[in-house]
Amino acid sequence: DGGITQSPKYLFRKEGQNVTLSCEQNLNHDAMYWYRQDPGQGLRLIYYSQIVNDFQKGDIAEGYSVSREKKESFPLTVTSAQKNPTAFYLCASRDLGYEQYFGPGTRLTVT
Amino acid sequence: GEDVEQSLFLSVREGDSSVINCTYTDSSSTYLYWYKQEPGAGLQLLTYIFSNMDMKQDQRLTVLLNKKDKHLSLRIADTQTGDSAIYFCAETNQAGTALIFGKGTTLSVSS
Repeated sequence: DGGITQSPKYLFRKEGQNVTLSCEQNLNHDAMYWYRQDPGQGLRLIYYSQIVNDFQKGDIAEGYSVSREKKESFPLTVTSAQKNPTAFYLCASRDLGYEQYFGPGTRLTVT
Repeated sequence: GEDVEQSLFLSVREGDSSVINCTYTDSSSTYLYWYKQEPGAGLQLLTYIFSNMDMKQDQRLTVLLNKKDKHLSLRIADTQTGDSAIYFCAETNQAGTALIFGKGTTLSVSS
């Protein structure tokens, strides 16, 4: 089955700890995206990557970091510098068209 | 700047039609999209319309595009309780590298 997987579905961390969220796709898509979703805020773009070893900041990149060493993988690290990290994080990928396909999401809770 | 606006809530009775509206700012958007999000899940691409079209129909879904007013709507015929979800409108950004999402319309269907 082709698709996008995000793990884990729920993640709990203590304040001050860095945490890495996984995103893997087997769709052979070139572009991958990370969004953050808060209630009533819609989706906000954190980072995106159009090709391996290249990525760009989105609208809310502060406190986050990414890497794109392989086409299939685009992990997101939420650092201790992110002031309000508790949110639902969504990964997406895109092929040649503009439509994006989403993973199931990871709900991160930081206390 | 680029922006997408949607009303936040819509409540309908089962069997009625639902119409979800969206306005966007970037007249150069090539495609416009509708996504559906069920509770705790990722986004599912419902349908999209090319910017040179006025209407697109896909089973119970009808998309209307008014380019002059930059207005997009999604009509769901014979709405069912399974249609209860958040619906997001999205446009491509000017660079064509990412999507800009509205805040989402929560559709509540009562029996």
